Formats: sequence, C-alpha cells, structure tokens
Amino acid sequence: EVQLVESGGILVQPGGSLRLSCAASGFTFSNSWMHWVRQPPGQGLLWVSRINSDGTTTNYADSVKGRFTVSRDNAKNTLYLQMNSLTEDDTAIYYCATAGYYRLDNWGPGTLVTVSS
Amino acid sequence: QSALTQPASVSGSPGQSITISCTGTSSDVGGYNYVSWYQQHPGKAPKLIIHDVTQRPSGISNRFSGSKSGNTASLTISGLQAEDEADYYCSSYTSSITYVFGTGTKVTVL
Repeated sequence: EVQLVESGGILVQPGGSLRLSCAASGFTFSNSWMHWVRQPPGQGLLWVSRINSDGTTTNYADSVKGRFTVSRDNAKNTLYLQMNSLTEDDTAIYYCATAGYYRLDNWGPGTLVTVSS
Repeated sequence: QSALTQPASVSGSPGQSITISCTGTSSDVGGYNYVSWYQQHPGKAPKLIIHDVTQRPSGISNRFSGSKSGNTASLTISGLQAEDEADYYCSSYTSSITYVFGTGTKVTVL
C-alpha cells in the first residue's frame, strides 16, 4: 500500500525559511516522479512543484519560482520542499503526491504551514 | 497561470445525476487530454477519481464519468449518493510544463 507522510509544517515568521519532508513507502520511490500541492485554509488546491525520479528535472508554479526548491533523497525514500522568503500567502496545507502519467495518483494527509508574525 | 473555472456549488437529490464543468484555455484543457478530477471530503486529502479526461482508476465507482469538448471538461456523477457530498477539483497539464487546478465545486446532496 502506498503511504506518504508529510512533516515539517510549523508556525514561521514572514521572511523565514522552512523545509518540508515527505516520507514514502509501499512503492518504488526511486522510480516515481513526485508533486507538491498546497491548499490555503478554506480555499482550493494550488499546484506547487514536480520533480522527476532522479531529481534532475524540476518544475515550479510561477508563485513559488525562485523561492522554493524541490529535491529528493532516493536512498531515504524522502521528498523535500525547501521554502524561503515566506509570506503570509504561503500559509497552507502542503501535500505531497505520487505522479502518475500526467496525474496525481496518491496523496499524503498534508502538513500545515502557517506564516505569521 | 489562472485557475480553471468551475461552478462554486452544484446540488442534487439522491439518485439524480449532476454535472460539473471545468473551463480552461487552449493552453491547458483544450490542448491536452490530460484532465484529471479529484474528490476531497472535509479534512481529508484529495483522491483521484478520473484521469486522462475519461479514465477511472481501479476501485472508483462507474457512477463517475468524464468528458471534454474544446476548452471545457466535465465530470458527471450519476445515481447521486450521500457519500458523494464533497468538494471536487479538476486539473490539467499545461503548455508551460506545469499543472493547474480548478476553483473547486462543492457538491451537496439534498
């Protein structure tokens, strides 16, 4: 069974940095492309980023380009999202998801990031 | 990248059919057959219910069906059941090598 568990979400001040993790199990992580998606409280889903299986290709939404960096450690079966220069607009639940063929197959339960002074 | 446009809410009685629209542009919905639909119950993670416009993942009820015409995709739920009450989001691959989600539709079972 595919399992994804996000962690690292906390309360952080504007301008701060944070690294989220997504621990994967139940599938061959090193063969899988992965996504990050976020959802501000009470709002809709927003795609954030995608990374290919070996970490050499990444894509980002315009809203986070230059501030967020997605990476992975296939030896640890873990996906990361480094978030810098955070603003209150980045407050959201952050989900990791496995990438099927142009779709998001399996999702973790999410981790809440709150940016506030 | 602007969000795809969905109606804010759709409602129906048990047993009825409802359809949710998802309107984009030729750079996303109209340009690719890579439209997916996700169901999200309150406090839960989204769940894939339709991919590649019309395809259902294993285990998804055949009461859910998808279609597309031009820049607009649609999700139809037939034989509406109480458990179908949830938020629904469409998504599409885009020409910018990114993904875009719809604004979301709250389905209410009367």
